[in-house]
Amino acid sequence: EAGVTQSPTHLIKTRGQQATLRCSPISGHTSVYWYQQALGLGLQFLLWYDEGEERNRGNFPPRFSGRQFPNYSSELNVNALELEDSALYLCASSFRTTGTSTDTQYFGPGTRLTVL
Amino acid sequence: ILNVEQSPQSLHVQEGDSTNFTCSFPSSNFYALHWYRWETAKSPEALFVMTLNGDEKKKGRISATLNTKEGYSYLYIKGSQPEDSATYLCAPSGGSYIPTFGRGTSLIVHP
Repeated sequence: EAGVTQSPTHLIKTRGQQATLRCSPISGHTSVYWYQQALGLGLQFLLWYDEGEERNRGNFPPRFSGRQFPNYSSELNVNALELEDSALYLCASSFRTTGTSTDTQYFGPGTRLTVL
Repeated sequence: ILNVEQSPQSLHVQEGDSTNFTCSFPSSNFYALHWYRWETAKSPEALFVMTLNGDEKKKGRISATLNTKEGYSYLYIKGSQPEDSATYLCAPSGGSYIPTFGRGTSLIVHP
């Protein structure tokens, strides 16, 4: 069974530009989560999509946005990039069988975003 | 967002040593706690999910316990092996159902 995939592996942008990160969940998973891991910090929750809808959002500015497509893949868009957006961005997917926080998340390898 | 503390931040042990780490979280409004193992250059891998006070889970040489009343979970590794070297993350979740990840405990097992 194929795992969660993310592209690109690395992305280099300059301040003010926009970045688009992509994630394909495990087949059959309807939920996709996005996390940011900045240097020295833990995984910070960004966004949760399920069945095409944004279900929850972390404490990030509106220039962090995304969407989920009908095939459950997802995009994370970061507008007006700032230096502090440099981080590892992880995507995870899960079933939404119980609708509770016991759903195990399966993580992708991440996209390393560098903002110069 | 929960306040999650993991200790120690890092740990060096010799092969064969047994070790344990702690995850502390607010005891109120608790729903579940996940433990993940994150090896360098790989993706975080789920180890356990626990929900009930007194829960104990085991997977090979790794086990975990949960105390929701006092707000902590312990992860134990018996007879550490070099392949156990990784960062171990705990992620409790509250009413929002979104897990809050701790900064992790980095374990290095020396042969």
